[in-house]
Amino acid sequence: EIVMTQSPATLSVSPGERATLSCRASQSVSSNLAWYQQKPGQAPRLLIYGASTRATGIPARFSGSGSGTEFTLTISSLQSEDFAVYYCQQYNNWPKTFGQGTKVEIK
Amino acid sequence: QVQLQESGPGLVKPSETLSLTCTVSGGSVSSGSYYWSWIRQPPGKGLEWIGYIYYSGSTNYNPSLKSRVTISVDTSKNQFSLKLSSVTAADTAVYYCARVRWGYFQHWGQGTLVTVSS
Repeated sequence: EIVMTQSPATLSVSPGERATLSCRASQSVSSNLAWYQQKPGQAPRLLIYGASTRATGIPARFSGSGSGTEFTLTISSLQSEDFAVYYCQQYNNWPKTFGQGTKVEIK
Repeated sequence: QVQLQESGPGLVKPSETLSLTCTVSGGSVSSGSYYWSWIRQPPGKGLEWIGYIYYSGSTNYNPSLKSRVTISVDTSKNQFSLKLSSVTAADTAVYYCARVRWGYFQHWGQGTLVTVSS
């Protein structure tokens, strides 16, 4: 099983600032990496797939990069609605696995 | 826009079988372009993939749950279902159904909390 490790566990950022979230895979997942946003009491929402392709309706301030074992989600200028938990997920191997999440909180 | 809605009992007794159904609207479970999946999230914790089904009935399960999981599809009702047997308190979670595209979870249901307790 591929283990996905996200860092940091919590990221404190001021509105308008840039946030950079990391995700590392225990072995290569090529570009088969997705990012999700989850707000309290809600289901996760797909943000990015293929490591860097934004899902339909996702604002351009969200961007993804990386391949192999190292991936990054960048939120260029945090808006109030972006404070949430973010998960990465690999879909290169079975079973599909998620990282433990990074909580982005207001500084 | 596809929508998914989970339904089923919110309380299950230990050692019994958890049964949930996901009803799909705005799309067809018979579409050959997608798989249909269950994912769960224990309270305050992360996400765990349970398994997939294709409209043909082909399945793939998480090895950690494989001995207890059955996922089935009913194309006539545009639904797919989850059964998890011999549940314990560790199976208490919000259970989500989702549409899968190339392995990532494209659309999610709102989730349903299932508590395992006597």
